[in-house]
Amino acid sequence: DVKVTQSSRYLVKRTGEKVFLECVQDMDHENMFWYRQDPGLGLRLIYFSYDVKMKEKGDIPEGYSVSREKKERFSLILESASTNQTSMYLCASSKQVANTGELFFGEGSRLTVL
Amino acid sequence: EDQVTQSPEALRLQEGESSSLNCSYTVSGLRGLFWYRQDPGKGPEFLFTLYSAGEEKEKERLKATLTKKESFLHITAPKPEDSATYLCAVPRSASKIIFGSGTRLSIRP
Repeated sequence: DVKVTQSSRYLVKRTGEKVFLECVQDMDHENMFWYRQDPGLGLRLIYFSYDVKMKEKGDIPEGYSVSREKKERFSLILESASTNQTSMYLCASSKQVANTGELFFGEGSRLTVL
Repeated sequence: EDQVTQSPEALRLQEGESSSLNCSYTVSGLRGLFWYRQDPGKGPEFLFTLYSAGEEKEKERLKATLTKKESFLHITAPKPEDSATYLCAVPRSASKIIFGSGTRLSIRP
């Protein structure tokens, strides 16, 4: 069964802390994504990666960075967490987004920044 | 600006009461429209892709249809286990997908 695993389901951090969210997929997919989901705003794309060491900004990249050193792993980094980054973070992967729209999502990481 | 709008925001139905969810979109050059289901506390799960106006896809009690301006997700004789948030999405480019904010569907037994 295909799987996208996010390392932490729930995190509580303090303002100014550095936060790492890890995501691993076992489907050998080229594309990986980080979204955040907020009530009334839907899913918004933060960053995506179409290959190892390749990345592109999504719609809301400010305050975030990403790392993709291996094909199966895509990390989201909050260099200095702020309260407005409290949200549900969803990682996804896909083989061919443009053709099928089939993204495989992890279960999400709910981050609270105090 | 590319946009996806879903309505209603929330819908409560009695078990067996059929209804439809709406997704309207404004994108230049539609490359497909996608429907997802999301259960509370979980990531979205892919349901369908529709590519052209007039196309229909079915899965159990769900049927998705597409016109040039909108898509409908029809739910026939729903059961409580169909309760979830349903999201629609369209690709804005080869790798970027825009999601609507979803319809929260609740089915009462």
